[in-house]
Amino acid sequence: SQTIHQWPATLVQPVGSPLSLECTVEGTSNPNLYWYRQAAGRGLQLLFYSVGIGQISSEVPQNLSASRPQDRQFILSSKKLLLSDSGFYLCASQGGVSYNEQFFGPGTRLTVL
Amino acid sequence: KNQVEQSPQSLIILEGKNCTLQCNYTVSPFSNLRWYKQDTGRGPVSLTIMTFSENTKSNGRYTATLDADTKQSSLHITASQLSDSASYICVVSTGFQKLVFGTGTRLLVSP
Repeated sequence: SQTIHQWPATLVQPVGSPLSLECTVEGTSNPNLYWYRQAAGRGLQLLFYSVGIGQISSEVPQNLSASRPQDRQFILSSKKLLLSDSGFYLCASQGGVSYNEQFFGPGTRLTVL
Repeated sequence: KNQVEQSPQSLIILEGKNCTLQCNYTVSPFSNLRWYKQDTGRGPVSLTIMTFSENTKSNGRYTATLDADTKQSSLHITASQLSDSASYICVVSTGFQKLVFGTGTRLLVSP
């Protein structure tokens, strides 16, 4: 099965600072990759998905951007964080033998102060 | 509008008891329905995946059912354990790389 790595696990950043969250995937090739945000007490919201290197689709207009420089690397970024960017960010991967299943990483807890 | 609704929002049961979580969805087109378990501060972990033609699937003490006609699913947990305390999320896939997530049921198993 696939293994998703995310770092950092937790992050506290001031408003206006930049952001870079990284996600890497093991155990598959050419996966579809996803970034989700989960606010407290709410369902997961899809932010971006990617079906290949350099291919990014954005689901909601926002202060964030995503990039996929390598097949199994997915990066979530911001030039200037807002308070509303606080949340739990999850990277997910789907594809390969378990094409029907989406595997999630351990998440990054971001607090913007 | 594609929606997934789960009930109850939260549930407390005694260790060893059974419980059933509900999921109603209005998602089209329908590809599959998944149940995930999410421990606090962790990523969701898949429990079951069911396609349109499957109406039940088990994973250990977890049994999921699907009624595609009424667009309802349930997750039954047998002989609950303290480690079952978590949020359980129902997710429906439209098949176009898109998942519609429920807000989850928070389960607490009490000793």
